[in-house]
Amino acid sequence: KQEVTQIPAALSVPEGENLVLNCSFTDSAIYNLQWFRQDPGKGLTSLLLIQSSQREQTSGRLNASLDKSSGRSTLYIAASQPGDSATYLCAVKEAAGNKLTFGGGTRVLVKP
Amino acid sequence: GAVVSQHPSRVICKSGTSVKIECRSLDFQATTMFWYRQFPKQSLMLMATSNEGSKATYEQGVEKDKFLINHASLTLSTLTVTSAHPEDSSFYICSAQYPGGYNEQFFGPGTRLTVL
Repeated sequence: KQEVTQIPAALSVPEGENLVLNCSFTDSAIYNLQWFRQDPGKGLTSLLLIQSSQREQTSGRLNASLDKSSGRSTLYIAASQPGDSATYLCAVKEAAGNKLTFGGGTRVLVKP
Repeated sequence: GAVVSQHPSRVICKSGTSVKIECRSLDFQATTMFWYRQFPKQSLMLMATSNEGSKATYEQGVEKDKFLINHASLTLSTLTVTSAHPEDSSFYICSAQYPGGYNEQFFGPGTRLTVL
């Protein structure tokens, strides 16, 4: 059974500092991995999707890496802003089937 | 594109009543939709996979008779919480699988259910 873990559970940084969020998964037979952002009381916004054959994806200040063999992904957010404060979730889709398995999330607070 | 809506966004009901939540894919057809439940400060837990024109597939521990799912068209899935109780209070989120490509799931804005 796939298990997804996110460390740390919460993170507080001053504005301008780079953010590093970690995600690990137990079964490396994944189809893809996604990073999402969730604001309080809201749904999920997809940030980046990395296919199993890819090593990284970039979008603006966001960069996500994937090391499938070691079961790890890292989301980097450069030059953090107060507007980046949210919960960040990673989820993996297994090679067989359509299910997404979510990590517990990392709650980020960027202080002005 | 790839917008998913949910209705209602918030519902308060009395214990024992049934509540229906709608999930719509607005600009694409989705043969597969998913229903998740999220408790405060916790992650999303998949409840069931909804397939258009066939019965939903429920995850282990989810009561089929309690959480009725209907996926009658390619753009609409509904979740009905039957005889709701306070422990059913939660945030319910749906997603729709975009056809082709990476089969990416796009998520709705969620429905906050409070059972008094």
